[in-house]
Amino acid sequence: ETGVTQTPRHLVMGMTNKKSLKCEQHLGHNAMYWYKQSAKKPLELMFVYSLEERVENNSVPSRFSPECPNSSHLFLHLHTLQPVESALYLCASSQEANTGELFFGEGSRLTVL
Amino acid sequence: AQTVTQSQPEMSVQEAETVTLSCTYDTSESDYYLFWYKQPPSRQMILVIRQEAYKQQNATENRFSVNFQKAAKSFSLKISDSQLGDAAMYFCAYRLGTYKYIFGTGTRLKVLA
Repeated sequence: ETGVTQTPRHLVMGMTNKKSLKCEQHLGHNAMYWYKQSAKKPLELMFVYSLEERVENNSVPSRFSPECPNSSHLFLHLHTLQPVESALYLCASSQEANTGELFFGEGSRLTVL
Repeated sequence: AQTVTQSQPEMSVQEAETVTLSCTYDTSESDYYLFWYKQPPSRQMILVIRQEAYKQQNATENRFSVNFQKAAKSFSLKISDSQLGDAAMYFCAYRLGTYKYIFGTGTRLKVLA
């Protein structure tokens, strides 16, 4: 296992569904992030966890619910999303003491019908 | 406002030629890190090059180099001897503090054989 792994790679859900995205990092980092990537827009930071404590929450609606059970795992629980929230959701990790390079997963492509 | 502007949505370069991707940013901070990330189609985003704002010397990584103009808040990426594998979306970003990363909208680079 290497780097940052995200599952599933593709997810289709209805507006009334509940689903979860999973992220796992094998780098020994102490910070993990969820970003939303939409076409022609800058990456939007959603949440940051440092040592399993949430340190950033960028005014994200409560229908996106993060969970960080340990420093290697990060989840994003999704419920009652809107089609406009279809996007690529990226997980990343970093080591705070270093120069702060983000290591990204391949992303989960979410389609909300 | 803390923003990153990549004014070139798309660029093309002939194989083996040189191309420069532009990036400007807006911050009132004096201490920060600057990054260029590469995102190949359907693959994860990876770091290309990093620059510490307090360093005057421009960073280089093999065929990749930057032109960092702190006063002008400009951070362009030069790719020399372009290769087909360089085709990707390129994102400029800077980091403030420990967790806050500001990304641009990206430049899609096409490499022509």
